[in-house]
Amino acid sequence: EPEVTQTPSHQVTQMGQEVILRCVPISNHLYFYWYRQILGQKVEFLVSFYNNEISEKSEIFDDQFSVERPDGSNFTLKIRSTKLEDSAMYFCASSLQSEQFFGPGTRLTVL
Amino acid sequence: AQSVTQPDIHITVSEGASLELRCNYSYGATPYLFWYVQSPGQGLQLLLKYFSGDTLVQGIKGFEAEFKRSQSSFNLRKPSVHWSDAAEYFCAVGAMVYNNNDMRFGAGTRLTVKP
Repeated sequence: EPEVTQTPSHQVTQMGQEVILRCVPISNHLYFYWYRQILGQKVEFLVSFYNNEISEKSEIFDDQFSVERPDGSNFTLKIRSTKLEDSAMYFCASSLQSEQFFGPGTRLTVL
Repeated sequence: AQSVTQPDIHITVSEGASLELRCNYSYGATPYLFWYVQSPGQGLQLLLKYFSGDTLVQGIKGFEAEFKRSQSSFNLRKPSVHWSDAAEYFCAVGAMVYNNNDMRFGAGTRLTVKP
Protein backbone atom coordinates (compact mmCIF):
# COMPACT_ATOMS: atom_id res chain seq x y z
CA GLU A 1 0.00 0.00 0.00
CA PRO A 2 1.48 3.40 -0.92
CA GLU A 3 2.46 5.61 1.98
CA VAL A 4 3.93 8.98 2.78
CA THR A 5 7.55 8.85 3.90
CA GLN A 6 9.58 11.43 5.77
CA THR A 7 13.28 11.87 6.37
CA PRO A 8 15.04 12.14 8.68
CA SER A 9 13.07 10.59 11.52
CA HIS A 10 14.94 12.78 14.00
CA GLN A 11 16.90 15.97 13.35
CA VAL A 12 18.96 17.77 15.96
CA THR A 13 20.20 21.25 15.15
CA GLN A 14 21.65 24.32 16.78
CA MET A 15 19.57 27.45 17.20
CA GLY A 16 19.97 29.73 14.18
CA GLN A 17 20.78 26.94 11.77
CA GLU A 18 18.75 26.12 8.70
CA VAL A 19 17.00 22.77 8.45
CA ILE A 20 15.23 21.06 5.59
CA LEU A 21 12.67 18.40 6.35
CA ARG A 22 11.87 16.07 3.51
CA CYS A 23 8.73 14.26 2.52
CA VAL A 24 7.84 11.93 -0.31
CA PRO A 25 4.06 12.09 -0.79
CA ILE A 26 1.99 9.35 -2.37
CA SER A 27 2.79 9.49 -6.06
CA ASN A 28 -0.57 10.38 -7.60
CA HIS A 29 -1.60 12.86 -4.91
CA LEU A 30 -2.15 16.49 -5.76
CA TYR A 31 -2.34 18.27 -2.41
CA PHE A 32 0.49 18.46 0.09
CA TYR A 33 0.61 19.68 3.67
CA TRP A 34 2.83 20.29 6.63
CA TYR A 35 1.67 20.13 10.24
CA ARG A 36 3.47 20.69 13.49
CA GLN A 37 2.93 19.12 16.90
CA ILE A 38 4.77 20.56 19.87
CA LEU A 39 5.33 17.92 22.52
CA GLY A 40 2.14 17.24 24.43
CA GLN A 41 0.05 19.59 22.33
CA LYS A 42 -2.32 19.29 19.41
CA VAL A 43 -1.49 18.95 15.75
CA GLU A 44 -1.35 22.39 14.13
CA PHE A 45 -1.74 23.17 10.45
CA LEU A 46 1.19 24.98 8.87
CA VAL A 47 0.70 25.09 5.13
CA SER A 48 -1.00 23.48 2.17
CA PHE A 49 0.41 23.30 -1.34
CA TYR A 50 -1.30 22.65 -4.64
CA ASN A 51 -0.30 23.13 -8.26
CA ASN A 52 3.18 24.30 -7.26
CA GLU A 53 2.04 27.07 -5.01
CA ILE A 54 0.89 27.64 -1.45
CA SER A 55 -2.89 27.33 -1.12
CA GLU A 56 -3.15 28.36 2.48
CA LYS A 57 -0.84 29.01 5.41
CA SER A 58 -1.43 29.51 9.08
CA GLU A 59 -0.15 32.33 11.26
CA ILE A 60 2.59 29.98 12.43
CA PHE A 61 4.01 29.81 8.91
CA ASP A 62 5.96 33.04 8.96
CA ASP A 63 8.86 34.24 6.81
CA GLN A 64 11.30 31.79 8.33
CA PHE A 65 9.37 28.90 6.78
CA SER A 66 9.23 27.93 3.14
CA VAL A 67 8.04 24.92 1.18
CA GLU A 68 9.14 23.55 -2.12
CA ARG A 69 8.44 20.70 -4.46
CA PRO A 70 11.83 20.61 -6.16
CA ASP A 71 11.08 17.62 -8.35
CA GLY A 72 8.21 15.29 -9.08
CA SER A 73 8.47 13.36 -5.86
CA ASN A 74 9.82 15.38 -2.94
CA PHE A 75 8.08 18.01 -0.85
CA THR A 76 10.28 19.94 1.55
CA LEU A 77 9.84 22.25 4.51
CA LYS A 78 12.71 24.64 5.17
CA ILE A 79 13.17 26.54 8.40
CA ARG A 80 15.69 29.29 7.72
CA SER A 81 16.92 30.16 11.18
CA THR A 82 15.67 27.74 13.79
CA LYS A 83 14.52 28.86 17.20
CA LEU A 84 14.16 26.83 20.37
CA GLU A 85 10.38 26.96 20.01
CA ASP A 86 10.59 25.24 16.63
CA SER A 87 11.31 21.99 18.45
CA ALA A 88 8.38 19.77 17.56
CA MET A 89 7.23 16.82 15.51
CA TYR A 90 6.60 17.81 11.92
CA PHE A 91 4.13 15.78 9.89
CA CYS A 92 3.81 15.80 6.16
CA ALA A 93 0.55 14.73 4.52
CA SER A 94 -0.77 14.33 1.01
CA SER A 95 -4.18 13.86 -0.51
CA LEU A 96 -5.84 13.20 -3.80
CA GLN A 97 -9.12 14.65 -2.62
CA SER A 98 -10.53 14.87 0.87
CA GLU A 99 -8.64 12.28 2.87
CA GLN A 100 -5.14 13.21 3.92
CA PHE A 101 -2.53 10.53 4.45
CA PHE A 102 0.10 11.32 7.04
CA GLY A 103 3.74 10.44 7.17
CA PRO A 104 5.41 9.13 10.34
CA GLY A 105 6.83 12.54 11.22
CA THR A 106 10.23 14.11 11.76
CA ARG A 107 11.15 15.03 15.30
CA LEU A 108 13.07 18.31 15.24
CA THR A 109 15.11 19.22 18.30
CA VAL A 110 16.63 22.69 18.42
CA LEU A 111 19.40 23.15 20.98
CA ALA B 1 -12.61 28.41 8.89
CA GLN B 2 -13.62 25.25 10.62
CA SER B 3 -12.71 24.37 14.20
CA VAL B 4 -12.90 21.39 16.50
CA THR B 5 -13.48 21.12 20.23
CA GLN B 6 -12.67 18.07 22.28
CA PRO B 7 -14.08 18.91 25.72
CA ASP B 8 -12.31 16.16 27.62
CA ILE B 9 -8.56 16.54 28.02
CA HIS B 10 -8.12 13.26 29.87
CA ILE B 11 -10.41 10.27 30.38
CA THR B 12 -9.78 7.18 32.46
CA VAL B 13 -11.81 4.01 31.97
CA SER B 14 -11.48 0.47 33.25
CA GLU B 15 -10.53 -2.27 30.86
CA GLY B 16 -13.69 -3.82 29.45
CA ALA B 17 -15.79 -0.73 30.06
CA SER B 18 -17.40 1.26 27.30
CA LEU B 19 -15.87 4.46 25.98
CA GLU B 20 -17.18 7.63 24.42
CA LEU B 21 -14.91 10.49 23.39
CA ARG B 22 -16.61 13.73 22.52
CA CYS B 23 -15.97 15.92 19.51
CA ASN B 24 -17.81 19.04 18.44
CA TYR B 25 -17.06 20.91 15.27
CA SER B 26 -17.86 24.27 13.79
CA TYR B 27 -18.23 24.60 10.04
CA GLY B 28 -20.78 26.22 7.77
CA ALA B 29 -21.14 23.39 5.30
CA THR B 30 -21.01 19.62 5.53
CA PRO B 31 -17.63 18.73 6.95
CA TYR B 32 -15.40 15.77 6.48
CA LEU B 33 -14.74 14.29 9.91
CA PHE B 34 -11.93 12.10 11.14
CA TRP B 35 -10.67 10.42 14.26
CA TYR B 36 -6.97 9.69 14.65
CA VAL B 37 -5.11 7.84 17.39
CA GLN B 38 -1.55 8.58 18.43
CA SER B 39 0.59 6.48 20.76
CA PRO B 40 3.45 8.25 22.56
CA GLY B 41 6.20 9.25 20.16
CA GLN B 42 4.33 7.83 17.21
CA GLY B 43 2.56 9.19 14.17
CA LEU B 44 -1.14 9.56 13.48
CA GLN B 45 -3.22 6.52 12.68
CA LEU B 46 -6.61 7.01 11.07
CA LEU B 47 -9.35 5.22 13.01
CA LEU B 48 -12.32 6.20 10.88
CA LYS B 49 -13.73 8.95 8.69
CA TYR B 50 -17.06 10.40 7.65
CA PHE B 51 -17.63 12.03 4.29
CA SER B 52 -21.30 11.41 3.56
CA GLY B 53 -24.01 8.77 3.71
CA ASP B 54 -24.61 6.61 6.76
CA THR B 55 -24.02 8.73 9.82
CA LEU B 56 -22.75 5.79 11.87
CA VAL B 57 -19.30 4.85 10.65
CA GLN B 58 -17.24 1.85 11.60
CA GLY B 59 -13.51 2.03 11.95
CA ILE B 60 -10.56 -0.10 12.86
CA LYS B 61 -9.93 -1.69 16.25
CA GLY B 62 -13.65 -1.91 17.03
CA PHE B 63 -14.24 1.84 17.08
CA GLU B 64 -17.28 3.59 15.68
CA ALA B 65 -18.44 7.19 15.48
CA GLU B 66 -21.76 8.87 14.83
CA PHE B 67 -22.18 12.11 12.94
CA LYS B 68 -25.00 14.21 14.39
CA ARG B 69 -25.53 17.31 12.32
CA SER B 70 -28.07 18.79 14.74
CA GLN B 71 -25.52 18.66 17.54
CA SER B 72 -22.44 19.38 15.39
CA SER B 73 -20.88 16.33 16.96
CA PHE B 74 -18.87 13.32 15.89
CA ASN B 75 -18.35 11.28 19.05
CA LEU B 76 -16.12 8.23 19.07
CA ARG B 77 -17.29 5.07 20.83
CA LYS B 78 -16.06 1.63 21.67
CA PRO B 79 -18.17 -0.93 23.56
CA SER B 80 -15.29 -2.59 25.41
CA VAL B 81 -11.93 -0.92 25.90
CA HIS B 82 -8.69 -2.88 25.82
CA TRP B 83 -5.49 -1.87 27.63
CA SER B 84 -3.84 -1.32 24.24
CA ASP B 85 -6.33 1.46 23.49
CA ALA B 86 -4.50 3.79 25.89
CA ALA B 87 -3.31 6.65 23.67
CA GLU B 88 -4.11 10.19 22.57
CA TYR B 89 -7.16 10.60 20.35
CA PHE B 90 -7.61 13.49 17.97
CA CYS B 91 -10.76 14.53 16.19
CA ALA B 92 -10.29 16.49 12.98
CA VAL B 93 -12.54 18.33 10.58
CA GLY B 94 -11.73 18.89 6.95
CA ALA B 95 -13.27 20.83 4.14
CA MET B 96 -12.59 20.88 0.45
CA VAL B 97 -12.35 24.54 -0.48
CA TYR B 98 -11.09 25.71 -3.85
CA ASN B 99 -7.52 24.45 -4.33
CA ASN B 100 -7.24 23.60 -0.70
CA ASN B 101 -8.16 20.66 1.44
CA ASP B 102 -8.26 22.30 4.83
CA MET B 103 -8.02 20.19 7.99
CA ARG B 104 -8.07 21.29 11.61
CA PHE B 105 -7.42 19.15 14.66
CA GLY B 106 -8.88 19.22 18.12
CA ALA B 107 -6.67 19.48 21.17
CA GLY B 108 -6.88 15.76 21.79
CA THR B 109 -8.18 13.50 24.54
CA ARG B 110 -5.75 11.32 26.42
CA LEU B 111 -7.19 7.93 27.28
CA THR B 112 -5.90 5.99 30.26
CA VAL B 113 -7.09 2.40 30.74
CA LYS B 114 -7.14 0.96 34.25
CA PRO B 115 -6.63 -2.79 34.72
